[in-house]
Amino acid sequence: AQSVTQPDIHITVSEGASLELRCNYSYGATPYLFWYVQSPGQGLQLLLKYFSGDTLVQGIKGFEAEFKRSQSSFNLRKPSVHWSDAAEYFCAVASISSGSARQLTFGSGTQLTVLP
Amino acid sequence: DTEVTQTPKHLVMGMTNKKSLKCEQHMGHRAMYWYKQKAKKPPELMFVYSYEKLSINESVPSRFSPECPNSSLLNLHLHALQPEDSALYLCASSQGTSSMFFGPGTRLTVL
Repeated sequence: AQSVTQPDIHITVSEGASLELRCNYSYGATPYLFWYVQSPGQGLQLLLKYFSGDTLVQGIKGFEAEFKRSQSSFNLRKPSVHWSDAAEYFCAVASISSGSARQLTFGSGTQLTVLP
Repeated sequence: DTEVTQTPKHLVMGMTNKKSLKCEQHMGHRAMYWYKQKAKKPPELMFVYSYEKLSINESVPSRFSPECPNSSLLNLHLHALQPEDSALYLCASSQGTSSMFFGPGTRLTVL
């Protein structure tokens, strides 16, 4: 069965500092990997995804993530954090379930606080 | 258009009420999903529809009844809910290897 681990429940960074959020996955085949962001009371917004190809993927809002198969990791990075980046971040791995459907397995999330 | 819309945004209901949550997408996606999310937790899958047919029911109590009237619409009918069912209910859609897109959610409170 697939699983996702986000080791950091809560991270605090200062505005302008760099950010790395960790994600480790367990999946038998080539994984489809995603990072989503959720502001309080809102839905999930897709930041970026990895399906295949270049292991460094660029996303929206200046985020990037690197797929490392040897470490089963898909860490999210941003060189300079803005106050508006404060939110909950979820890493997820997907499998195809039936037809066109897929099943997403989410990590437990990392809450990001940004200090002024 | 990569938007999934959900109505209502907020819903307060008593334990004896019957209400419905609605979800709509016009991206041509043939898979649609209902998730339940409690505070400070990741979303939990409830139901999956593939080509308008229910393909996954994650052992959800029968007081939740999903319906997919057509390829663009997904409903969740609610009846005799319990206070512990209060949560954010998220709808999502996807197609093949495309990304899964989520709606803004319905905040449900059961009194």
